[in-house]
Amino acid sequence: QVQLVQSGAEVKKPGASVKVSCKASGYAFTTYGIIWVRQAPGQGLEWMGWISPYNGRTNYAQKLQGRVSMTTDTSTNTAYMDLRSLRSDDTAMYYCARGNSGYDYVAEYWGQGTLVTVSS
Amino acid sequence: QSVLTQPPSVSGAPGQRVTISCIGSSSNIGAGYDVHWYQQLPGTAPKLLISGNNNRPSGVPDRFSGSKSGTSASLAITGLQAEDEADYYCQSYDSSLSGLFGGGTKVTVL
Repeated sequence: QVQLVQSGAEVKKPGASVKVSCKASGYAFTTYGIIWVRQAPGQGLEWMGWISPYNGRTNYAQKLQGRVSMTTDTSTNTAYMDLRSLRSDDTAMYYCARGNSGYDYVAEYWGQGTLVTVSS
Repeated sequence: QSVLTQPPSVSGAPGQRVTISCIGSSSNIGAGYDVHWYQQLPGTAPKLLISGNNNRPSGVPDRFSGSKSGTSASLAITGLQAEDEADYYCQSYDSSLSGLFGGGTKVTVL
């Protein structure tokens, strides 16, 4: 079955960077995109971006352009999301998800989430 | 404020029908982009409920249905059950904002 397992919780200081990993299994990794979504405490979902493990093509949310990088390692079926210059409002649960066969930006299977806390 | 507007909350008694609206604009839903819906139970990751306006992934009960018209879309839950109490989010694509979610709607079963 499709599984996405994310790395553990992180606590970072303002201005630092965080890298969250997402290991996929149960399907052909390069066939579907990986989407990243975040959710601040008590708030709604925010689409962060998408990466194609097939060719590395990315599409980032305008709001995060310049601070976010998404990469994949096809040898280990793992996706990574790197967020730089962290601020307190980056505190959130970060989810990776596998894309849908019909829509690159639709999240069909989700990881368990990684809590990132930004605090001085 | 989200580009896709949803009511903050809706409620209904068990067995009733409730609908959740998702109002967009000419740069997203009105531009022909499809609408998708997610259910998020408390303390869990979201789950894809409807894709491509009205297609249910395997395992999603047929009590859930979606529709789209013009610049808006709706999710309907018929025969409301206690287990349907959750947050619901619509999603579409925007020509300048890429993937985007609505603000979310909390469904309460009375």
